[in-house]
Amino acid sequence: AQSVAQPEDQVNVAEGNPLTVKCTYSVSGNPYLFWYVQYPNRGLQFLLKYITGDNLVKGSYGFEAEFNKSQTSFHLKKPSALVSDSALYFCAVRDIRNSGGYQKVTFGTGTKLQVIP
Amino acid sequence: GAVVSQHPSWVICKSGTSVKIECRSLDFQATTMFWYRQFPKQSLMLMATSNEGSKATYEQGVEKDKFLINHASLTLSTLTVTSAHPEDSSFYICSARAYGPTDTQYFGPGTRLTVL
Repeated sequence: AQSVAQPEDQVNVAEGNPLTVKCTYSVSGNPYLFWYVQYPNRGLQFLLKYITGDNLVKGSYGFEAEFNKSQTSFHLKKPSALVSDSALYFCAVRDIRNSGGYQKVTFGTGTKLQVIP
Repeated sequence: GAVVSQHPSWVICKSGTSVKIECRSLDFQATTMFWYRQFPKQSLMLMATSNEGSKATYEQGVEKDKFLINHASLTLSTLTVTSAHPEDSSFYICSARAYGPTDTQYFGPGTRLTVL
């Protein structure tokens, strides 16, 4: 079984400060990891993913995430937050051994990021 | 690239009617499409997965006769909510995945369904 946890329902950060949105995962094998962002009444937009290789992954809009295998974490980070970054962020995981007719991705419960001007 | 569209973006219907939602991958061929349901302030709940030309695979607890899914081509999947009731009101989101090692799902903008 695979699962992902986002321990914070909401994260508040002042504009210009660094931000971190936490994510931990559980898989039997090796993970594929994803971050998505959702703006109100919109679908999810892909931000970045970790498949293999460098543990630090850079994505869209200045976001990055660090894969930490020992801590089973994939926290989302940005050096300087913008008010426009305020949105709902979802972490997702898929076990690369999860094959068959389809490969299901499990999403976390989401973290609301509020950037304060 | 990797654009997924959904139509309509919102729909209001009377109880007992059926509603069809279309999901299209505009610039790639989607071997697999997923349908999700999202309740307010909650995560996405996977309803079903469809592969082109095959019957959809439904998640446990999802009524296949109520939520009809058709994936007739590599760029189009449809979700039909049959005999809709107010409890079916929700935000429905599709996603599409192309064949290959990247495994990235690309999401449509969602459809807000309100059943009166």
